[in-house]
Amino acid sequence: DIVMTQSPDSLAVSLGERATINCKSSQSVLYSSNNKNSLGWYQQKPGQPPKLLIYWASARESGVPDRFSGSGSGTDFTLTISSLQAEDVAVYYCQQFYSTPQTFGQGTKLEIK
Amino acid sequence: QLQLQESGPGLVKPSETLSLTCTVSGGSISSSRYYWGWIRQPPGKGLEWIGTIFYSGTTSYTPSLKSRVTISVDTSKNQFSLKLSSVTAADTAVYYCARRPAYCGGGCWGSWGQGALVTVSS
Repeated sequence: DIVMTQSPDSLAVSLGERATINCKSSQSVLYSSNNKNSLGWYQQKPGQPPKLLIYWASARESGVPDRFSGSGSGTDFTLTISSLQAEDVAVYYCQQFYSTPQTFGQGTKLEIK
Repeated sequence: QLQLQESGPGLVKPSETLSLTCTVSGGSISSSRYYWGWIRQPPGKGLEWIGTIFYSGTTSYTPSLKSRVTISVDTSKNQFSLKLSSVTAADTAVYYCARRPAYCGGGCWGSWGQGALVTVSS
């Protein structure tokens, strides 16, 4: 199985500041056939199901604010929130869907400083 | 608007079979544009993909659960179901049903049910 490791485990950022979450996969998730990284990012608020934010490492899901962006390739990826809003407090997960079983990172808890 | 709703017993005894159904409304489960899946989350822990099904009945399961899992689809009822046999306390989790687009090759779970907490206990 591909192991997804996120850092940090928790993060406190001031309102309006940038938040950065990292995700590293134990092997490359880049599909050479289409040059796309099989990597997604999800946001989960307490008591709610996860919400898809980013797929193919950098494609923003419809309706997701543009302060959320994804980057990276191969084994190293980043989710960036450019200007943290109060409603962004949540746990964030990365996920690889390059190979079966698809696997998730352990999660990063984002709080307000 | 698409809605997914999990239903089933909230308490299952050890060694018995966990059974959940996901009812889809606002969209057809028979669409070739989507796959349907189950993902679980133990209390306070992370996400684990269980398996995926296409309306034709084609399935894919996570290897660690494959010997105990069956996912099936009932297109006439617009539902798909999960059965997990020989459960233990480690199977206690919130079980989510979800939908992903066919073009996304496994990921991109864009629509989710609210989740059903299943506790395994005698």
